[in-house]
Amino acid sequence: AQKITQTQPGMFVQEKEAVTLDCTYDTSDQSYGLFWYKQPSSGEMIFLIYQGSYDEQNATEGRYSLNFQKARKSANLVISASQLGDSAMYFCAMRAPNSGGYQKVTFGTGTKLQVIP
Amino acid sequence: GAVVSQHPSRVICKSGTSVKIECRSLDFQATTMFWYRQFPKQSLMLMATSNEGSKATYEQGVEKDKFLINHASLTLSTLTVTSAHPEDSSFYICSARGSSGGVTDTQYFGPGTRLTVL
Repeated sequence: AQKITQTQPGMFVQEKEAVTLDCTYDTSDQSYGLFWYKQPSSGEMIFLIYQGSYDEQNATEGRYSLNFQKARKSANLVISASQLGDSAMYFCAMRAPNSGGYQKVTFGTGTKLQVIP
Repeated sequence: GAVVSQHPSRVICKSGTSVKIECRSLDFQATTMFWYRQFPKQSLMLMATSNEGSKATYEQGVEKDKFLINHASLTLSTLTVTSAHPEDSSFYICSARGSSGGVTDTQYFGPGTRLTVL
């Protein structure tokens, strides 16, 4: 069974500081993809970053980087130089084939990040 | 970048009526579309997965006769909540899987539809 675990229901970070949001996953598949999404209070889901299971380098997108540790099955999101606009819910997600053979995306429970001025 | 639109963004309806929500991928072809439901302060719950031209695959516990999904083209999927009841009130989000802007094979989410059933 596929599972995504986000153990931090809420996080605070000082503006301009870096913050790490934790995500661990569990799958028996060798081929999978990991995603991070941001959900502001408006409700929409914003794609941030993607890491494929066979990608050897950690993914980076601007101020976002994904610390991919395959052996530990972790895919932490690092946000550098936090901004007030980063305050939102953050979801970690994994896409992998399920027992039926089709791709399924599983989401974590989310981490609410609040950036303090 | 890739854009997925949903229409309507908000809908209020009376109990017993049906509501249709549209999900469109605007600048890419979506091989697969997903429909999610989100309760307040909770994570997204996958309802169903649909591939263009074939029947949707529903997750366990999701009533296929109540939540009708049609994926008529590579850019359009619709979710119809039939005979809606207050417990169906929720935030519905669609997601389209495709490639856009140099990013291959990822998922992009629509802005969501807030359904309130009175």
